[in-house]
Amino acid sequence: AQSVAQPEDQVNVAEGNPLTVKCTYSVSGNPYLFWYVQYPNRGLQFLLKYITGDNLVKGSYGFEAEFNKSQTSFHLKKPSALVSDSALYFCAVRDMATDKLIFGTGTRLQVFP
Amino acid sequence: GAVVSQHPSRVICKSGTSVKIECRSLDFQATTMFWYRQFPKKSLMLMATSNEGSKATYEQGVEKDKFLINHASLTLSTLTVTSAHPEDSSFYICSALSTGRRKGNTIYFGEGSWLTVV
Repeated sequence: AQSVAQPEDQVNVAEGNPLTVKCTYSVSGNPYLFWYVQYPNRGLQFLLKYITGDNLVKGSYGFEAEFNKSQTSFHLKKPSALVSDSALYFCAVRDMATDKLIFGTGTRLQVFP
Repeated sequence: GAVVSQHPSRVICKSGTSVKIECRSLDFQATTMFWYRQFPKKSLMLMATSNEGSKATYEQGVEKDKFLINHASLTLSTLTVTSAHPEDSSFYICSALSTGRRKGNTIYFGEGSWLTVV
């Protein structure tokens, strides 16, 4: 069965510092991986995806993620955090047989001024 | 801008009544849409997969007679909560799969709908 794990419930970082939100996956075959962000009382916004190609994927709002096949990871990163980045972040893998997204449990990012 | 529109964003209904939530893909056609429910501070729970022109596929434990899904066109899916009860109060989110070349292979989400049953 395919699964995604986000080992941290919350990540705290000071504004201006680099941030990393961790995600590991378990799939059969090639993974289609996604990151979404959810602000309070809002739906999910697409940040970036990895399907194939370069392992470093650049997305919206200055975020990027690195696909690491040997470590089965797809960590989300940003060189310099903003207070406005504070939100709930979800990693997901697409089940290609059903097109369903399988989500991690989410990581709450808190950026302090 | 938003590529999936969800309406209404907030709705309050009386217990025992039905309420309909719409999900529209704005600039792409979506043969497949998904409906989720999210509890406070929790991840998303997939309720069903909505397929254009055919019956929805429900996840285990989701009552198909209570949560009616209709995917009548390539840009519209609706979720109707029938005979709503206070325990149905929740945040409902839809998503749509884009397979076109311009926005291909990405699932976009609506802004969500808060349902409060009183």
